[in-house]
Amino acid sequence: EAGVVQSPRYKIIEKKQPVAFWCNPISGHNTLYWYLQNLGQGPELLIRYENEEAVDDSQLPKDRFSAERLKGVDSTLKIQPAELGDSAVYLCASSPGTATGELFFGEGSRLTVL
Amino acid sequence: GQNIDQPTEMTATEGAIVQINCTYQTSGFNGLFWYQQHAGEAPTFLSYNVLDGLEEKGRFSSFLSRSKGYSYLLLKELQMKDSASYLCAVYNFNKFYFGSGTKLNVKP
Repeated sequence: EAGVVQSPRYKIIEKKQPVAFWCNPISGHNTLYWYLQNLGQGPELLIRYENEEAVDDSQLPKDRFSAERLKGVDSTLKIQPAELGDSAVYLCASSPGTATGELFFGEGSRLTVL
Repeated sequence: GQNIDQPTEMTATEGAIVQINCTYQTSGFNGLFWYQQHAGEAPTFLSYNVLDGLEEKGRFSSFLSRSKGYSYLLLKELQMKDSASYLCAVYNFNKFYFGSGTKLNVKP
């Protein structure tokens, strides 16, 4: 079974430029999460989807961040414009939505903003 | 608010036993997860506790005391490949609250 796939793995951009990250969750997983992880810290939730609906986006900085999950499968996270402080790893995770709620993470997209 | 505390870093010797503690104060609780994360890689699931007591899985065990808001991860017969960060996460109604992680250094 394929795991959670993310791309790109690495991205270097100048500040004020846009950037987008893509995530393909495990087949059949209805719940999809985007997390931000800074070096030496635990993941912090940005947004959670149940199928195509964003059910928790309270931590998403909506002035510059946006996300979508078309048809309840793949998801895209966009930052426009990027700031220096956005440099981090963006992790996508999916869950089958069962009682145990185990998360399956992708390898992450490491963003460096210069 | 949600507060999850873990030691920042620990060092142990190959072949030894190490215990990584996690204390939490959260507004709800549906379970506690431990994840392992090697540098530059994704977190991977290690264990899950929802009831008090010890869950054993090979060299790894995890303990939970809900009344004390306390959990630990026990790693036995340490191997060099166990050098990684270990993340404690409280699960509450489809939300995961992660600690900052404990970086474990295993030395020969």
